[in-house]
Amino acid sequence: AQRVTQPEKLLSVFKGAPVELKCNYSYSGSPELFWYVQYSRQRLQLLLRHISRESIKGFTADLNKGETSFHLKKPFAQEEDSAMYYCALRGGGYNKLIFGAGTRLAVHP
Amino acid sequence: EADIYQTPRYLVIGTGKKITLECSQTMGHDKMYWYQQDPGMELHLIHYSYGVNSTEKGDLSSESTVSRIRTEHFPLTLESARPSHTSQYLCASSGLGGASEQYFGPGTRLTVT
Repeated sequence: AQRVTQPEKLLSVFKGAPVELKCNYSYSGSPELFWYVQYSRQRLQLLLRHISRESIKGFTADLNKGETSFHLKKPFAQEEDSAMYYCALRGGGYNKLIFGAGTRLAVHP
Repeated sequence: EADIYQTPRYLVIGTGKKITLECSQTMGHDKMYWYQQDPGMELHLIHYSYGVNSTEKGDLSSESTVSRIRTEHFPLTLESARPSHTSQYLCASSGLGGASEQYFGPGTRLTVT
């Protein structure tokens, strides 16, 4: 079965601390993984996708097929990073996204 | 400006009422989607459409129905609302390509009393 698991509901860190939001997936084929972010009072938006292998707002994520993980990392958290983060998997032929339950990141001053 | 619009943003309605949640996009996209999200839970795909006159059910069974008469418009209807329908409903759209990004609307938060 296709599934995305984000084990942490809430991750609370201080400004300047490293951040790692965990995401594990199960998928029988070759997956495409994404991180979406929702800032307070804003809509859900794409943060990054694994095929781009890019850094957005200082965040990176590496697809680890052996561990079936796609953890989101940032070396130094900023207060403006506080938001809800969703990991998503694209599987199937019609651009279907399967989302995790999300992790709320709270960055304190 | 290219965008996805959802109305209403908030709706409180009594049991048994018929409701339609509106979704329109000016992105020029062919594919559109409806997701349902309960508080603190995953988003689940309930309907999607490849284009005009194309509608399919998603992974999560839903009593709602959708129509796609115009490319820009993808309304979702509940014939008889129940408290179990209380949730957030998110509309999204994407281009035709398999790797196209999905863009989300602001959502409609529905409460059925």
